[in-house]
Amino acid sequence: QVQLKESGPVLVQASETLSLTCTVSGFSLTNYGVIWVRQPPGKGLEWMGIIWRNGNTDYNSALKSRLSINRDTSKSQVFLKMNSLQTDDTAIYYCTRDIRDWGQGVMVTVSS
Amino acid sequence: DVLMTQTPVSLPVSLGGQVSISCRSSQSLVHSDGNTYLHWYLQKPGQSPQLLIYRVSNRFSGVPDRFSGSGSGTDFTLKISRVEPEDLGVYYCLQSTHLWTFGGGTKLELK
Repeated sequence: QVQLKESGPVLVQASETLSLTCTVSGFSLTNYGVIWVRQPPGKGLEWMGIIWRNGNTDYNSALKSRLSINRDTSKSQVFLKMNSLQTDDTAIYYCTRDIRDWGQGVMVTVSS
Repeated sequence: DVLMTQTPVSLPVSLGGQVSISCRSSQSLVHSDGNTYLHWYLQKPGQSPQLLIYRVSNRFSGVPDRFSGSGSGTDFTLKISRVEPEDLGVYYCLQSTHLWTFGGGTKLELK
């Protein structure tokens, strides 16, 4: 069955770079895109960006200057990197396959 | 960028009652392929969002028929009939016609 699992550091210092990995199973990254979504504590969902099945990417315009998404199809992994972190980047970070399959999310705290 | 305005922010309900949630987009969500990619989710505390309705009015697998979606163009509605305790949580609309944008959320809670 389709599974997605996010992993990465739970605590990051402000001004540093966040690196997260989404490891998928049950489907190929060359057949489906993967999306990153985040949710600050007690707040709503924010779309961050997508890596399409052909490897192209699109980003939320508000995050574009700080965000990059890449992948390793041989390892079934998608990578998110976001630099210049601030405390308001504290959030649960989810990866999803299309609209229906979501990972459990990973809580990342940015400390000043 | 597409903006999604979801109302109300909070929605008190009695069990067994009926409620509606509205979602309006800043531009038409009709894709060039003719489909309208407007979806609805429910998020319960500590959980990932779960898909309820896809492409305006299609119930996802296992979603009871108490949930129904309607609308077109820029105006969409989620209706929940005969509200049950497991329906409580935060509802989000999502448009995926023009990349993705979520609505701000509606918290469904007991009166």
